[in-house]
Amino acid sequence: AQSVTQPDIHITVSEGASLELRCNYSYGATPYLFWYVQSPGQGLQLLLKYFSGDTLVQGIKGFEAEFKRSQSSFNLRKPSVHWSDAAEYFCAVGSYNNNDMRFGAGTRLTVKP
Amino acid sequence: ETGVTQTPRHLVMGMTNKKSLKCEQHLGHNAMYWYKQSAKKPLELMFVYNFKEQTENNSVPSRFSPECPNSSHLFLHLHTLQPEDSALYLCASSQVSRAEQYFGPGTRLTVT
Repeated sequence: AQSVTQPDIHITVSEGASLELRCNYSYGATPYLFWYVQSPGQGLQLLLKYFSGDTLVQGIKGFEAEFKRSQSSFNLRKPSVHWSDAAEYFCAVGSYNNNDMRFGAGTRLTVKP
Repeated sequence: ETGVTQTPRHLVMGMTNKKSLKCEQHLGHNAMYWYKQSAKKPLELMFVYNFKEQTENNSVPSRFSPECPNSSHLFLHLHTLQPEDSALYLCASSQVSRAEQYFGPGTRLTVT
């Protein structure tokens, strides 16, 4: 069965610093991978997705993620964090028929001034 | 309205009440989902509808009853809930042929 692990429950970074959020997945075939962001009291917003092709994908709000098959990872990065990036981030793995999409437990990002 | 909307945004109900959550998507999608988000737990998929037909029910208790009258609307009928059912209930939609899902803002449910 597919699964997602986000090893970091909570990360604190200073505004302007770089960010990397880790995601490891388990899936038998080529996965569809996603990163979502959730602000307090809100739903999940899709940041970026990977289906195939170029392993470095660009998303909204200046985020990018890199798919590494050998490491079963799909880490999210941003070169310079803004205070508005403080939120909960979820990695997810799915399949073509999308009925079995699995989410990680989330990483809460705090941004220090 | 655009995207996925959910009403109400907040709901407080007693254990003997009956209420319904509503979700509407304005994206032209043909698949809709209900998720439960509890504190300190991963997002739990509850129900999936493809082309108005339920295709997934992840062992959800019968006190939760979904309804999908058309591809744009999804309801979750609630009755005789338990305090542990208090959570954020999220609706999502997608195209059946594409994996990415789009979420509504959620309904914060408190069962007293």
